[in-house]
Amino acid sequence: DQQVKQNSPSLSVQEGRISILNCDYTNSMFDYFLWYKKYPAEGPTFLISISSIKDKNEDGRFTVFLNKSAKHLSLHIVPSQPGDSAVYFCAASNAGNNRKLIWGLGTSLAVNP
Amino acid sequence: KAGVTQTPRYLIKTRGQQVTLSCSPISGHRSVSWYQQTPGQGLQFLFEYFSETQRNKGNFPGRFSGRQFSNSRSEMNVSTLELGDSALYLCASNTGSQGTDTQYFGPGTRLTVL
Repeated sequence: DQQVKQNSPSLSVQEGRISILNCDYTNSMFDYFLWYKKYPAEGPTFLISISSIKDKNEDGRFTVFLNKSAKHLSLHIVPSQPGDSAVYFCAASNAGNNRKLIWGLGTSLAVNP
Repeated sequence: KAGVTQTPRYLIKTRGQQVTLSCSPISGHRSVSWYQQTPGQGLQFLFEYFSETQRNKGNFPGRFSGRQFSNSRSEMNVSTLELGDSALYLCASNTGSQGTDTQYFGPGTRLTVL
């Protein structure tokens, strides 16, 4: 049973527009969430994280929003660039075991020039 | 600072064989975690080692084992290989001192079982 779900396997956006990637979770014990980006033939690269005590975290073009009541988080990329084309993974962990990350299946983002 | 390295990058084995994968963490990192990535299951946590001790374990059979050496390098072993073990095996390292430490991933070892 997937505790972290990324329901959109793929997403296509135009360069310069906003990309919104979504993630839902079922375990209410999760209190730390991360987004990783993965290019082919490379390992995942950390992008941005958010703690459950916050509802928003911003880093340059990347913003993560957390809605605890809905058990939902989203990653916004503005503006999207062709180099952002990659697979994006959402991951979560809980206070009792932060080092054990639970991952979604990923969303493949294609940013078209 | 050098990143996480994994060897070999590609491996082809046959059913019933065993395999050992190696991971060298970033210098100064004491925690190494292993993940299996398959198209249908995504990244699944195998185990984490910290200071030569297994600190966390995922839900994989006993055929999957690991160890960590005093220099923090880690190895993962899979015995009696099955076709379903074909996957990308990723290792990640972090300092291990705080639960929210960022994990840094290596490029992975692509294992194919024939």
